[in-house]
Amino acid sequence: GAVVSQHPSRVICKSGTSVKIECRSLDFQATTMFWYRQFPKQSLMLMATSNEGSKATYEQGVEKDKFLINHASLTLSTLTVTSAHPEDSSFYICSVAMRVQETQYFGPGTRLLVL
Amino acid sequence: TQLLEQSPQFLSIQEGENLTVYCNSSSVFSSLQWYRQEPGEGPVLLVTVVTGGEVKKLKRLTFQFGDARKDSSLHITAAQPGDTGLYLCAGRGNAGNMLTFGGGTRLMVKP
Repeated sequence: GAVVSQHPSRVICKSGTSVKIECRSLDFQATTMFWYRQFPKQSLMLMATSNEGSKATYEQGVEKDKFLINHASLTLSTLTVTSAHPEDSSFYICSVAMRVQETQYFGPGTRLLVL
Repeated sequence: TQLLEQSPQFLSIQEGENLTVYCNSSSVFSSLQWYRQEPGEGPVLLVTVVTGGEVKKLKRLTFQFGDARKDSSLHITAAQPGDTGLYLCAGRGNAGNMLTFGGGTRLMVKP
């Protein structure tokens, strides 16, 4: 399987600031990357799907202006939480795939705490 | 929208006991995956089942895909404390689109 890293692993920020989370595919050409959010003791909820070089597709209820996704290369996608608020505190997980319908390989996650 | 319901949501058992986790839907899936996730980490793929009625074994774990490809089960024999974690099923629709995750089953195995 693919090796996927996320940075940072944990971040604490003040309300109103923006936070950027990186997802890197270390040994895999990831045409498609996915961003999930997971609240405590809950399952994964897909936020958006991004294809390299094109705009991300957001799931219903996810604000694209708040969660900015950039997938500029086959090995890197970034998720920026703009003007973060305490309710954005969550565990953010990315996954990579060669194509949308193929096996996804998950990153270790980033825990965001907004004070 | 394809929904996957997992049961039970939480299970606490003693080491050595057997258990079964269920994943049910009214929708048909082209494939279904089981993941295990530990606190503070991403999910790790355990198995993918594709064919209706398929049974796959991974050491003490037995996975079954329903004949109609609407449900699946995970059976763990002689559970060990190392099996503790969040077990997630995820289905992929016939259109080959995104994964839909179940709500998860949190398993705790006490020594």
